[in-house]
Amino acid sequence: DAGVTQTPRHEVAEKGQTIILKCEPVSGHNDLFWYRQTKIQGLELLSYFRSKSLMEDGGAFKDRFKAEMLNSSFSTLKIQPTEPKDSAVYLCASTLGSQDTQYFGPGTRLLVL
Amino acid sequence: GDKVKQSPSALSLQEGTNSALRCNFSIAATTVQWFLQNPRGSLMNLFYLVPGTKENGRLKSAFDSKESYSTLHIRDAQLEDSGTYFCAAENYNQGKLIFGQGTKLSIKP
Repeated sequence: DAGVTQTPRHEVAEKGQTIILKCEPVSGHNDLFWYRQTKIQGLELLSYFRSKSLMEDGGAFKDRFKAEMLNSSFSTLKIQPTEPKDSAVYLCASTLGSQDTQYFGPGTRLLVL
Repeated sequence: GDKVKQSPSALSLQEGTNSALRCNFSIAATTVQWFLQNPRGSLMNLFYLVPGTKENGRLKSAFDSKESYSTLHIRDAQLEDSGTYFCAAENYNQGKLIFGQGTKLSIKP
């Protein structure tokens, strides 16, 4: 069975660009999460979908970050415009439902110059 | 303040020794998960816990919801146990996890 997949694995962007990260959850999972991981802030939740409905839109990340889930097997995270402080690892995770094990993808390492 | 506090922040162990990692919660955690992030960055789920204990090979974890803490015990540490261990708590039925800052574990031969 395929786990959570994320593409691309690495991305380099210039300041001001638009980038789109992609995630495919585990087949049959209903909840999908986007996280950002940095050494200083650790793991921060960006967005959370339940059965394709947006449950959490990331608070402080709202202005330039937009996550979408157009179908149950695919999600995107758009960052527009990118800034150097967005350099981080972006992780996607999925779970069958609340109070269930979360499975993580391999992450996308983003560098914004 | 930190809702999920992990200790220690870093730990170095000799191969073959035992250790315990701890998580304290300032939220009403209903379930806890422990993850290991390997040096390549992949996050692997180790345990999903409701109040109680679970064991898997050399790892054993406990979650006490009344005292608001969880522990992860590693027995006979091996080189491949190296990495960063994260605990994460779910608050009632909110569906999302709140992560601790992690414990970086180094195992030395």
